[in-house]
Amino acid sequence: NAGVTQTPKFQVLKTGQSMTLQCAQDMNHEYMSWYRQDPGMGLRLIHYSVGAGITDQGEVPNGYNVSRSTTEDFPLRLLSAAPSQTSVYFCASSHLQGPGNTIYFGEGSWLTVV
Amino acid sequence: AQTVTQSQPEMSVQEAETVTLSCTYDTSESDYYLFWYKQPPSRQMILVIRQEAYKQQNATENRFSVNFQKAAKSFSLKISDSQLGDAAMYFCALNFGNEKLTFGTGTRLTIIP
Repeated sequence: NAGVTQTPKFQVLKTGQSMTLQCAQDMNHEYMSWYRQDPGMGLRLIHYSVGAGITDQGEVPNGYNVSRSTTEDFPLRLLSAAPSQTSVYFCASSHLQGPGNTIYFGEGSWLTVV
Repeated sequence: AQTVTQSQPEMSVQEAETVTLSCTYDTSESDYYLFWYKQPPSRQMILVIRQEAYKQQNATENRFSVNFQKAAKSFSLKISDSQLGDAAMYFCALNFGNEKLTFGTGTRLTIIP
């Protein structure tokens, strides 16, 4: 029962460093997405994908890149980390069945940029 | 653009009592879904309940129920017989036409033994 798996769970970066947050799901979901959670702001959508080879921007995409080469994986890349990117990041996935579909979340990745 | 507003940053309730968390939203869509998610200290996002906008009947899941007022764009969550394990952040969320969720800012619920 792996579901949505995120790695790493915790990471400290220095300003200007790059890194990749990994996300994998084993439910054959077409839809995958990344959210960030900041204090007092709820979760905000960064990028999403409706299938392999297809990605699009969400509400807060600046400073992040994504790719979707397989159905299972949807990595999030921070190109040049900034303190404003200190946050908790959630990967989510679901079948593409329209609104109301159950969306499964990973356990989150805590990122601190110093 | 759609927005979700949770005006209660924090709430508390005595164990075994009932508490209601408020949520209002704004969307121009006629067909959409509303959700309540629970986030315990572990940070895991757990779906509590969902409501289809076209259904007039309020959704219920065991001790959790909603009061959905479509005309008022209100979607409150009632937790009956509150238990210590209910302590968490609760997020209201909205989506329409696709899988993208718009979240409110959350309400932190404390259960008083």
